[in-house]
Amino acid sequence: KQEVTQIPAALSVPEGENLVLNCSFTDSAIYNLQWFRQDPGKGLTSLLLIQSSQREQTSGRLNASLDKSSGRSTLYIAASQPGDSATYLCAVRGSSNTGKLIFGQGTTLQVKP
Amino acid sequence: DAGITQSPRYKITETGRQVTLMCHQTWSHSYMFWYRQDLGHGLRLIYYSAAADITDKGEVPDGYVVSRSKTENFPLTLESATRSQTSVYFCASSRGTGEGEQYFGPGTRLTVT
Repeated sequence: KQEVTQIPAALSVPEGENLVLNCSFTDSAIYNLQWFRQDPGKGLTSLLLIQSSQREQTSGRLNASLDKSSGRSTLYIAASQPGDSATYLCAVRGSSNTGKLIFGQGTTLQVKP
Repeated sequence: DAGITQSPRYKITETGRQVTLMCHQTWSHSYMFWYRQDLGHGLRLIYYSAAADITDKGEVPDGYVVSRSKTENFPLTLESATRSQTSVYFCASSRGTGEGEQYFGPGTRLTVT
């Protein structure tokens, strides 16, 4: 059974710092991995999708990497800003044709001005 | 450009009542999903649908019923609400075979008293 873990559960950094969020998964047979952002009381916003054949994806100050063999993904946020404060979730789609996502518990990020 | 919408956004109901949560998407995505989000459990899949008239169970389907007579709608019904079904419910959709990004609605906060 696929399990997704995100460590740490919470992170507080000063504005301007570069930071890395970690995601690990137990079954390396995945179709893709998706990173989401969730603001308090809001829905999930898709940040990046990495297909199993890709090593990384970039969008603005965000860079996500994927290492299937080790069951790890990282989300790198450059030059963090207070507006980046949110909960970041990673989710993997297993090797089935259902589109089902298995989510980690999330990392809650606080960027202090 | 409505995307994916959910209604109602907030609902309070009593134990034993039937309640239906609505989900509508304007992209003509094939796949649609219902998740619930609870503290300590994260996001868990309730039901999903690969196309109109095709639905299947997710991780936590007990007590829920879904239907999908039209591609754009995917209602979730709690046949006899219980307090354990107090949660935030998210609907999501993705195109094609499910390998694309999943896009989430804003959520419905349901309280069962």
